[in-house]
Amino acid sequence: DTGVSQDPRHKITKRGQNVTFRCDPISEHNRLYWYRQTLGQGPEFLTYFQNEAQLEKSRLLSDRFSAERPKGSFSTLEIQRTEQGDSAMYLCASSLGQRPDYGYTFGSGTRLTVV
Amino acid sequence: DAKTTQPPSMDCAEGRAANLPCNHSTISGNEYVYWYRQIHSQGPQYIIHGLKNNETNEMASLIITEDRKSSTLILPHATLRDTAVYYCIVSNSWGKLQFGAGTQVVVTP
Repeated sequence: DTGVSQDPRHKITKRGQNVTFRCDPISEHNRLYWYRQTLGQGPEFLTYFQNEAQLEKSRLLSDRFSAERPKGSFSTLEIQRTEQGDSAMYLCASSLGQRPDYGYTFGSGTRLTVV
Repeated sequence: DAKTTQPPSMDCAEGRAANLPCNHSTISGNEYVYWYRQIHSQGPQYIIHGLKNNETNEMASLIITEDRKSSTLILPHATLRDTAVYYCIVSNSWGKLQFGAGTQVVVTP
């Protein structure tokens, strides 16, 4: 499978715990994006990387959230001290270049449930 | 990025054409119109995009009005597998997509 891969697909955690999600982009894609999607809403942009550099962070990305993309390959999104409001689908996408139609591909997401 | 307005839902009969409208009256000259769809429990899937001219690919056709303030996505022969939420997005060239609530399309037999 040469698409965008996200792991895990589902995560249930207790409030206050830390969680980490992983995204493996399409190998030649230099841009990687994280989005969050709550029930009934469209995805909301969180942050994006060009290679290993994190170029933009949304106001939605509080200080409990951190994203990394070491060596410009896979990326991780960590949420510390999870809250019930963090329950959502976390989507990763990757692209070659800066125009969305340059192979802008989404993964299937990680569904987080905070109990 | 300009905002878009879409109807919250629409139904379509299998085999018929589905015409999905989108208003983007504040679109600027360098912004493209993109359409994505999201089938339940999957990530969004790119469908088509355009700047000024009408576009067609194997999935759909995109009709953009001359003043670029609105567009229509056409699924020529809807199938049950086309049931999804369809998002119309207006964006400049740098890759961050701002999704609205989209249109829930239900294709019925």
